[in-house]
Amino acid sequence: EIVLTQSPATLSLSPGERATLSCRASQSVSNFLAWYQQKPGQAPRLLIYDASNRATGIPARFSGSGSGTDFTLTISSLEPEDFAVYYCQQRSNWPPGFGGGTEVEIK
Amino acid sequence: EVQLVQSGAEVKKPGESLKISCKGSGYRFTGYWIGWVRQMPGKGLEWMGIVNPGDSDTRYSPSFQGQVTISADKSISTAYLQWSSLKASDTAMYYCARHRTYGSGNPCTMDVWGQGTTVTVSS
Repeated sequence: EIVLTQSPATLSLSPGERATLSCRASQSVSNFLAWYQQKPGQAPRLLIYDASNRATGIPARFSGSGSGTDFTLTISSLEPEDFAVYYCQQRSNWPPGFGGGTEVEIK
Repeated sequence: EVQLVQSGAEVKKPGESLKISCKGSGYRFTGYWIGWVRQMPGKGLEWMGIVNPGDSDTRYSPSFQGQVTISADKSISTAYLQWSSLKASDTAMYYCARHRTYGSGNPCTMDVWGQGTTVTVSS
């Protein structure tokens, strides 16, 4: 089973700053990696699929990169609504699984 | 509008059975797998399994195999998650999600989510 490790666990930033979130896989997942955002009391929302493709309706300030075992989600300039928890998820191997999450909090 | 609407919150006792539902609308229900994700209080997301509503093929995470049953009724565009004997450790939020692939690989990118069903198991 592939293990996804996200870092840091918490990221403290101010609105307007750049956020860089990391996801590392225990073995290659090719580009079969997605990113989700979850706000308190809400269901997760798909942001990025297949490492670098924005899902429908996702603002351009969100971007994904990487392949193999190392992936990055970048938020170019944080808006107030971006403070949330972010999860990566792989679909390369069964079972698909999630990383432990990174919380982006207001500094 | 594409959406998944889940059944309401449940409060149950240990040992009881339960079946929660997820109704799809706005898209061809048999064209996508539907799966379930658990989120225990204050914790992260755990993928449980999926069902193909077209032929009822199911796949489970080893962590949940034998613990739950996932099914679907394509005639009413509804997927289900059920337990035969609940435990206190089943207390969690459960989300259904439409699963898809964007060209190749396993159909396990979750692009549409239900609002969640809270299950509380307590004596």
